[in-house]
Order: sequence, then C-alpha cells, then structure tokens
Amino acid sequence: EPEVTQTPSHQVTQMGQEVILRCVPISNHLYFYWYRQILGQKVEFLVSFYNNEISEKSEIFDDQFSVERPDGSNFTLKIRSTKLEDSAMYFCASSELYSNQPQHFGDGTRLSIL
Amino acid sequence: GENVEQHPSTLSVQEGDSAVIKCTYSDSASNYFPWYKQELGKGPQLIIDIRSNVGEKKDQRIAVTLNKTAKHFSLHITETQPEDSAVYFCAARNSQGAQKLVFGQGTRLTINP
Repeated sequence: EPEVTQTPSHQVTQMGQEVILRCVPISNHLYFYWYRQILGQKVEFLVSFYNNEISEKSEIFDDQFSVERPDGSNFTLKIRSTKLEDSAMYFCASSELYSNQPQHFGDGTRLSIL
Repeated sequence: GENVEQHPSTLSVQEGDSAVIKCTYSDSASNYFPWYKQELGKGPQLIIDIRSNVGEKKDQRIAVTLNKTAKHFSLHITETQPEDSAVYFCAARNSQGAQKLVFGQGTRLTINP
C-alpha cells in the first residue's frame, strides 16, 4: 500500500540553526500538508500546499517557516532559525484532492532543539 | 474557528469488551470527520471516516456515529483485541474552502488481556 515517507526520523539541532524536514507524499496525491504535535498536546495544522503554492496556513506558520516542492516527489518544511519551542513531532500528510478526501500521514520527524 | 474536544483521555477495557470514544465539534459547517489510530513511533493511521450526509458507518469491528444536531461523533470498537491498544484521535474538517483537519486531544486506549 502506498505510504507517505518522512526523513529523518529524528533531528537534533542547535537553537538558531536552520532545519529542513523532508517528505515524499503518495505519488498520485495533489495536496500536501504539514502538522506538528508538541509533546502531550493536540496535533496542530501548519500549512497546506497545492499546485506549487500555499493554499492555507495557520498562525503558527510564521515567516520562520517555508515549504517547497523542489522536484516531482519531495515536499519540504524549512524552519529558518529554530527556537526551543519548535521542538515537536512534525507530520507530513497528503491527499488526492482537498474536497473530503482522506489525508494520509507519514510517521513523522521528531525535532529536538537544544 | 473549529474546536474539537475528545474524551476520555484514557480508556482501559477488558479484551473482548467494547470501547467508545466521543468527540464534539463547534463549527456546524464541518462535514468530514476522520478517526486516526496512532501506535508508538508511528504516524496517525486513518481507520474510518464519516461524512455529514450519513449518520453511521461500519467497518468490521469499528463503527462511527454522527449526530449533526448535537455536533458530536463517536468511535465504537467491538470485541476489542490487544492490538487495538493505541492512541486514537478524532478530527473535523470544514471542506468549504479549508483543508485543514482540527484534531481532538487523543484517547489512549489500553486493552487488558
């Protein structure tokens, strides 16, 4: 069964450094998403991406965050200058179309900011 | 915006018994409600979903019910097995222009053999 894959599984970074989280969505999917889950809290929406542009973003997704689809398979989340509070699990998801189609999640990247 | 509340936060049942997890949502325009199961070290896995044009959906031992008037929906697992032990999340989405899922807090379900 096709799946969303994320790398790395765990990323440790010094505060203030840039980090890039990578995702390979399911191949025939058109919508891509990033969510995060701070330990013990809800899964929170960050951003959705369609047709090479952001279609929706949350207030969490400020100027420190950016997303990109650099080629036909990868979807990345970049945090420019990491803060301690960016420590969380980051999940990538994809769906065929946005309208009531299921979102399928990867296994996440655990980001630890020191 | 949408807010989803889920309870209980933890649930322990004997193997073979049923488990019920409940969620409420605030946005009456929400029309899609998925349930996800998350096992240790894994991402959320979709197990069942329901759209607002139906009141109930079943898939083997799993069922979901939706009450649009009361704005709540529930996950029912019958004949529970040890492999059902996991964290379960409900979510809601308003698909009129928005794609984001709004999640509940999660329920840690433990099946006791």
